[in-house]
Amino acid sequence: EIVMTQSPATLSVSPGERATLSCRASQSVSSNLAWYQQKPGQAPRLLIYGASTRATGIPARFSGSGSGTEFTLTISSLQSEDFAVYYCQQYNNWPSLTFGGGTKVEIK
Amino acid sequence: EVQLVESGGGLVQPGGSLRLSCSASGFTFSSYAMHWVRQAPGKGLEYVSAISSNGGSTYYADSVKGRFTISRDNSKNTLYLQMSSLRAEDTAVYYCVKVSDYYYMDVWGKGTTVTVSS
Repeated sequence: EIVMTQSPATLSVSPGERATLSCRASQSVSSNLAWYQQKPGQAPRLLIYGASTRATGIPARFSGSGSGTEFTLTISSLQSEDFAVYYCQQYNNWPSLTFGGGTKVEIK
Repeated sequence: EVQLVESGGGLVQPGGSLRLSCSASGFTFSSYAMHWVRQAPGKGLEYVSAISSNGGSTYYADSVKGRFTISRDNSKNTLYLQMSSLRAEDTAVYYCVKVSDYYYMDVWGKGTTVTVSS
């Protein structure tokens, strides 16, 4: 099983600042990496797939990068609605899809 | 509008059974693999089970293998999860999820809550 490790577990950021979230895979997943956003009491929402492609309707302030085993999600200027938990997920070997443990982005 | 609506959650005693359903609309249900993903209170996301588009192949996490059964009825645009021998650790919100042609999870239902407790 491919293990996904996210860091940090919690990120404290002020509105308007940049947030950088990391995700590492225990073995290469090529670019088969997705990011999801989850707000309290809501289902996760797809943000990024293919490591760097924004899903429909996702603002340009969200960007993804990386390939192989190291990935990054960057939120260029945090808005109030961006404070949430973010999960990475590899889908390189369906159906064995694995999630990272999540990064909570909180208001500083 | 693409939509997934789960139902069937509730309170069940340890050792009991429950069947979850997921009604799909707004896309050609029979063309896509589907998943169940769960989230225990205050925890992260966990893959539970998957099924191929025609239902011919099914997959399970080790934690539920032998206890849960995934199935689908493409004529009714509905996904199911039959859960038996339920344990306290199965307590979670269960999400029905559609995967894309490339297998990332592109559409999520709102979830249904399963509580296993005496």
